[in-house]
Amino acid sequence: RKEVEQDPGPFNVPEGATVAFNCTYSNSASQSFFWYRQDCRKEPKLLMSVYSSGNEDGRFTAQLNRASQYISLLIRDSKLSDSATYLCVVNGGGSQGNLIFGKGTKLSVKP
Amino acid sequence: NAGVTQTPKFQVLKTGQSMTLQCAQDMNHEYMSWYRQDPGMGLRLIHYSVGAGITDQGEVPNGYNVSRSTTEDFPLRLLSAAPSQTSVYFCASSYYPGVEDYGYTFGSGTRLTVV
Repeated sequence: RKEVEQDPGPFNVPEGATVAFNCTYSNSASQSFFWYRQDCRKEPKLLMSVYSSGNEDGRFTAQLNRASQYISLLIRDSKLSDSATYLCVVNGGGSQGNLIFGKGTKLSVKP
Repeated sequence: NAGVTQTPKFQVLKTGQSMTLQCAQDMNHEYMSWYRQDPGMGLRLIHYSVGAGITDQGEVPNGYNVSRSTTEDFPLRLLSAAPSQTSVYFCASSYYPGVEDYGYTFGSGTRLTVV
């Protein structure tokens, strides 16, 4: 089983749609979880951390289910500018805590 | 505040040549790392450092060396370039990896082609 798995997409949605991305991770010792956004030919940028209680940042909502080792990202009222690849990222556990990246889910928002 | 600065942005090497990818950060981050990103493979950790004088191997360290003589700089050396090292390389830094709200800050990347 891969350490961090995501549906690669692409997700093609119209403006204004709600879209959800899912991610599973294999290391039960992982303690920190993130969603990153990567635009074409650019570096990844931190979108939001994911907290156990779930958290929201404007149109973005992240959820964590530790029992199922499952993370989700919900984007409401999609904008053209949301088009990007979304990376699910998990702390690898252990003393060094290196981050492990999923391969990403590509989102394309159409007019 | 420059963040994480990588140079060069683009590079073409011949097989067997060596080179150093530079990475510098001005945020006083203790943790720095190098990733490579290939189509369909995602980001893979090459080497990382938790502070000056301390380095360790990641998932794909073969063919690469690193050193960390200062907090600010973390160069990546390709010893003898091979076509399999054609990739996009990202340097990243953090106060501490994996701590809530302490995600990585990435440099803008180096696109390397080995012919």
